[in-house]
Amino acid sequence: TQLLEQSPQFLSIQEGENLTVYCNSSSVFSSLQWYRQEPGEGPVLLVTVVTGGEVKKLKRLTFQFGDARKDSSLHITAAQPGDTGLYLCAGATSGTYKYIFGTGTRLKVLA
Amino acid sequence: NAGVTQTPKFRVLKTGQSMTLLCAQDMNHEYMYWYRQDPGMGLRLIHYSVGEGTTAKGEVPDGYNVSRLKKQNFLLGLESAAPSQTSVYFCASSYGPAGAGEQYFGPGTRLTVT
Repeated sequence: TQLLEQSPQFLSIQEGENLTVYCNSSSVFSSLQWYRQEPGEGPVLLVTVVTGGEVKKLKRLTFQFGDARKDSSLHITAAQPGDTGLYLCAGATSGTYKYIFGTGTRLKVLA
Repeated sequence: NAGVTQTPKFRVLKTGQSMTLLCAQDMNHEYMYWYRQDPGMGLRLIHYSVGEGTTAKGEVPDGYNVSRLKKQNFLLGLESAAPSQTSVYFCASSYGPAGAGEQYFGPGTRLTVT
């Protein structure tokens, strides 16, 4: 069974601080996605990474796919209250039709 | 263009009752998914469909059935609800298979079984 473990599970920080969220697995994925979910809504895609070692930036968010394609990280620079939400990683394996979601990291950024 | 819609938004059932959750998408997507979300467990795949008339089991299919009679609709049924099925249910759709494109999610259905 493929599993994606995220850490930390909860994170509460002050506005302006930096943070990193990790997504780890013992399985290799062909691609990995990061989603953000706000209360009462469904997850919304932030980014997809497909190449080992790939780094993508989305404004203050930096996403990296591990060289072995088993892990990923999300780094937020100078966090803002608008970054508050549940962050989910999801891995996909080539040849299957389904995603495996991580356990989630709940982030709260205090003004 | 409504994207992915789910009905109902909230529902309370007694143990043993049945119900059907409806998911509809207007993006002409081939792939559709049903997930449940429980605290500390992320999203777990219940069933999915790779096209009209097809369905397949996900990670946690027991106690659920699905049908995809029309491309735009994906129904999730609970024949005899149990308290363990209390959860938030999300439907999603995508144009391509896993990893080949974005999943679009509905707003969710919050189900409580007493």
